Amino acid sequence: GQQVMQIPQYQHVQEGEDFTTYCNSSTTLSNIQWYKQRPGGHPVFLIQLVKSGEVKKQKRLTFQFGEAKKNSSLHITATQTTDVGTYFCGGPTTSGTYKYIFGTGTRLKVLA
Amino acid sequence: GAGVSQSPSNKVTEKGKDVELRCDPISGHTALYWYRQSLGQGLEFLIYFQGNSAPDKSGLPSDRFSAERTGGSVSTLTIQRTQQEDSAVYLCASTPDHLNAAFFGQGTRLTVV
Repeated sequence: GQQVMQIPQYQHVQEGEDFTTYCNSSTTLSNIQWYKQRPGGHPVFLIQLVKSGEVKKQKRLTFQFGEAKKNSSLHITATQTTDVGTYFCGGPTTSGTYKYIFGTGTRLKVLA
Repeated sequence: GAGVSQSPSNKVTEKGKDVELRCDPISGHTALYWYRQSLGQGLEFLIYFQGNSAPDKSGLPSDRFSAERTGGSVSTLTIQRTQQEDSAVYLCASTPDHLNAAFFGQGTRLTVV
């Protein structure tokens, strides 16, 4: 079945350092979405990428969708303690019932 | 309502008892999902409802788990004869359709003792 892997699983950074998480799907994705889950919270939608090669920015966050629509990345510039949480990529499968599947998540800790 | 609502927020039950978890999706959202998240882990897909189509139950871990969605709105996830390994946060999400962002509820934290 379709699988979505994320690396790294965990990342500790000093405040002010950059951070990147990578999302890799075993098959082509219709679109890719990124979510952030704060400790003790629920996943909250950040952004959706649809087009091959698409790049979107939200303040210090930059999202990319690969040319083959099988991978994506999230880059945070100059991390802050408010960036702490787990970042999930996910999206609908391209066949069958189009259910949403999510990556394994990357847990980010920012040390002040 | 304004968001996805789940109840109860916390549930402690004895091993072997049945539990029902409720999800009230955003009005008008045709797709509804149930996920399970164990402590520090990812989102495990359980079941997916889309409109009037037959649900995708491919993620249900055993026949002790079942879910229904009445009238295309509220959904109930039922776990029969609960086991300790069922302890987790159960998250519900809804979307306008299968291509749009998912909106999650706050989850139900289930503890089986």
